[in-house]
Amino acid sequence: GAVVSQHPSWVICKSGTSVKIECRSLDFQATTMFWYRQFPKQSLMLMATSNEGSKATYEQGVEKDKFLINHASLTLSTLTVTSAHPEDSSFYICSARYAGGEETQYFGPGTRLLVL
Amino acid sequence: GNSVTQMEGPVTLSEEAFLTINCTYTATGYPSLFWYVQYPGEGLQLLLKATKADDKGSNKGFEATYRKETTSFHLEKGSVQVSDSAVYFCALSATGYALNFGKGTSLLVTP
Repeated sequence: GAVVSQHPSWVICKSGTSVKIECRSLDFQATTMFWYRQFPKQSLMLMATSNEGSKATYEQGVEKDKFLINHASLTLSTLTVTSAHPEDSSFYICSARYAGGEETQYFGPGTRLLVL
Repeated sequence: GNSVTQMEGPVTLSEEAFLTINCTYTATGYPSLFWYVQYPGEGLQLLLKATKADDKGSNKGFEATYRKETTSFHLEKGSVQVSDSAVYFCALSATGYALNFGKGTSLLVTP
């Protein structure tokens, strides 16, 4: 089946630094990737929708200048948390959808971010 | 707005027991409904889906029926195995392909 990877799987950083998380579709092309955030014992909350070659669409309440998303190719999207603060500590999960238009999303294993 | 409510866990069952995880939804229009499963240390995997009322999704012995009249999509399995231990997420897609998730239900199956 379709495989999506994320790197790194976990990261610890100091407050004020920036962290980049990569999401790759390993065996298929993804025109659309999604970035979610999950707090402990909470739902996955959609942060933004990333379309290859165009600007990401952010959900209400998500700061686009803080969470920079780049989808430069059909197999790679990156999320950069800029000037991270402790409240940004969370579990970030990406998903990817086939370029062929199928509705199903394939999820990465997630990246746990801890900001000290 | 769109939302999904699923029963809170953790749910602990003995092997071969019957499983039901309740899921209800609120949505405008006619959403597609999904169950995703997350095994320990892995990403979410699509378990089954249904795209219109009265459709039944099934996979690996799990079933769920899209009930428009009760706005429900309950997950069932007749005989669970230890390997079914995981977190199960109910989700809907009503606008484009973005997913609205429930909080997840942790299932532990003991031998």
